[in-house]
Amino acid sequence: NAGVTQTPKFQVLKTGQSMTLQCAQDMNHEYMSWYRQDPGMGLRLIHYSVGAGITDQGEVPNGYNVSRSTTEDFPLRLLSAAPSQTSVYFCASASRIPSYEQYFGPGTRLTVT
Amino acid sequence: AQSVAQPEDQVNVAEGNPLTVKCTYSVSGNPYLFWYVQYPNRGLQFLLKYITGDNLVKGSYGFEAEFNKSQTSFHLKKPSALVSDSALYFCAVRETQTDSWGKLQFGAGTQVVVTP
Repeated sequence: NAGVTQTPKFQVLKTGQSMTLQCAQDMNHEYMSWYRQDPGMGLRLIHYSVGAGITDQGEVPNGYNVSRSTTEDFPLRLLSAAPSQTSVYFCASASRIPSYEQYFGPGTRLTVT
Repeated sequence: AQSVAQPEDQVNVAEGNPLTVKCTYSVSGNPYLFWYVQYPNRGLQFLLKYITGDNLVKGSYGFEAEFNKSQTSFHLKKPSALVSDSALYFCAVRETQTDSWGKLQFGAGTQVVVTP
């Protein structure tokens, strides 16, 4: 199994540009989520999904959209990039069975200039 | 609302000495507690969890953690630290209610530096 994969690994955007961060998992996990990691702030939940067709907002959803058309994929869309969205983005997946722990992708480092 | 506090930004320890990384939490009900480790330029890796049962939980790489309900703590420990344990450690908590089963709250992280 590849686990959780994310593309791209690095991205530089200009203010106002849009882009999609890709996330896929091959573990048939029902739960997927997106976090951003900023120094001294830990990981903050952006959006999450408890199954295909179901998404909800996390702690910091503004400026981001998600959709979950399949169990495997959970893309994160930046609508109009801002410098405040410069961060490292992690996708994670989890399953109720057997024990809830989340599996993380390798991350995408995004810089908005 | 749930919250997690990691009171130390950095912990320095000599190789071979015991390592402790502190974590306290706040939830409205019973907690599920987790520790993750992040090596430079990598994603987070799961170390261990407390769901229910024995308060002492053993995990990967020789780490263990003790759940203390009265002190609302879940400190991570290792009896003898290695240089390779140098990394960023995150504590996380979630409430046990079904509608929040996937929503983890992370602490700010503690940088562990193990010197030879």
